[in-house]
Amino acid sequence: AQKITQTQPGMFVQEKEAVTLDCTYDTSDQSYGLFWYKQPSSGEMIFLIYQGSYDEQNATEGRYSLNFQKARKSANLVISASQLGDSAMYFCAMRETMDSNYQLIWGAGTKLIIKP
Amino acid sequence: DVKVTQSSRYLVKRTGEKVFLECVQDMDHENMFWYRQDPGLGLRLIYFSYDVKMKEKGDIPEGYSVSREKKERFSLILESASTNQTSMYLCASQGGGQTVKAFFGQGTRLTVV
Repeated sequence: AQKITQTQPGMFVQEKEAVTLDCTYDTSDQSYGLFWYKQPSSGEMIFLIYQGSYDEQNATEGRYSLNFQKARKSANLVISASQLGDSAMYFCAMRETMDSNYQLIWGAGTKLIIKP
Repeated sequence: DVKVTQSSRYLVKRTGEKVFLECVQDMDHENMFWYRQDPGLGLRLIYFSYDVKMKEKGDIPEGYSVSREKKERFSLILESASTNQTSMYLCASQGGGQTVKAFFGQGTRLTVV
């Protein structure tokens, strides 16, 4: 079974609108971490935001916030006031505590296109 | 600033050739990873290394091998390249700790003809 599911292969959003990218995960661990990365057309993976499973507050980093709903096993990325430069692939990833080598488990990604 | 450098941005190789993809990091990280990225499949782990000369298979190691002779360098080797290995290859480096993020290289787009 998929451990990380991103249900939106692609999204088109008007510039300046807020965007929510979906991510659901599956783990039996109590302690785990959730990450979002951005991959522009240049290919480099850029870290955006992290949420620990025991963090009481949703993580925020500038225009990025993570809507963490633990009971629903959901970790959606919210981008406020989208910009043309936000057009990219976005990947959700998880690290389970049981994994002593800190491997990340990745979703298939969502291609976000911001329209002017 | 942190840097992970992959030796080539684009590569075109012939079927049956031996291919070396090099990755160097300057952060003294213990952990290094090689991923393959294909559309609709996300990132799939090929191999990783948690120390010099130590390596572990990831999800799709078949057709690949790796070498880590020095801490800063992690090489991915395609012993006999095949067309189904045409893909984007990403190297990542990571220190210890649960929350520490991974740093990625710029990727190598390999085409096997």
